[in-house]
Amino acid sequence: NAGVTQTPKFQVLKTGQSMTLQCAQDMNHNSMYWYRQDPGMGLRLIYYSASEGTTDKGEVPNGYNVSRLNKREFSLRLESAAPSQTSVYFCASSGLAGLLGFYNEQFFGPGTRLTVL
Amino acid sequence: GQQVMQIPQYQHVQEGEDFTTYCNSSTTLSNIQWYKQRPGGHPVFLIQLVKSGEVKKQKRLTFQFGEAKKNSSLHITATQTTDVGTYFCAGPPTGGFKTIFGAGTRLFVKA
Repeated sequence: NAGVTQTPKFQVLKTGQSMTLQCAQDMNHNSMYWYRQDPGMGLRLIYYSASEGTTDKGEVPNGYNVSRLNKREFSLRLESAAPSQTSVYFCASSGLAGLLGFYNEQFFGPGTRLTVL
Repeated sequence: GQQVMQIPQYQHVQEGEDFTTYCNSSTTLSNIQWYKQRPGGHPVFLIQLVKSGEVKKQKRLTFQFGEAKKNSSLHITATQTTDVGTYFCAGPPTGGFKTIFGAGTRLFVKA
């Protein structure tokens, strides 16, 4: 099992360029997430997908779009990159656990380090 | 909206000293999760607490969930250099889905 994989690992963009960050999980998890991590800010939720076919905004969705391509894959797109989007991006997934429906531990990918010049 | 605060932001300890980080949520949580992130790495799940007043131990680590399910703590006894990293708490509000992460406490251990 590879767990959660992300591509690319590093990326440098110029302001205004677009790109898509790819994420895939092989744990048959229903839920997937995209976070960004900035120094001293912890992890901030950009978008999430509770199950295949659904996506919802998190705390900081502006400037991003997502696609839940299938149960395995969840991509994040920057249509017109800005320097404020320089960050480390983590994808995560989780299953549904327990009778009360608690969403349990999240498994994180290795991250994509994005710099926007 | 829901906020999760963690204190302290940084902690420097001598190897062998104890360490505690505290987590406080503005809303009641359905559960609290703790993650550890090594420098340059990704967050790794440590534990989840669900019940009010719950206490769980993992070797030198003790996790506690408050009676009101709004606060939590992580205590490390006799720190080691391998404990270096950032510790995050996270949790969804009761009845909610979005898991909100605290900003983390970064632990530095001097040998």
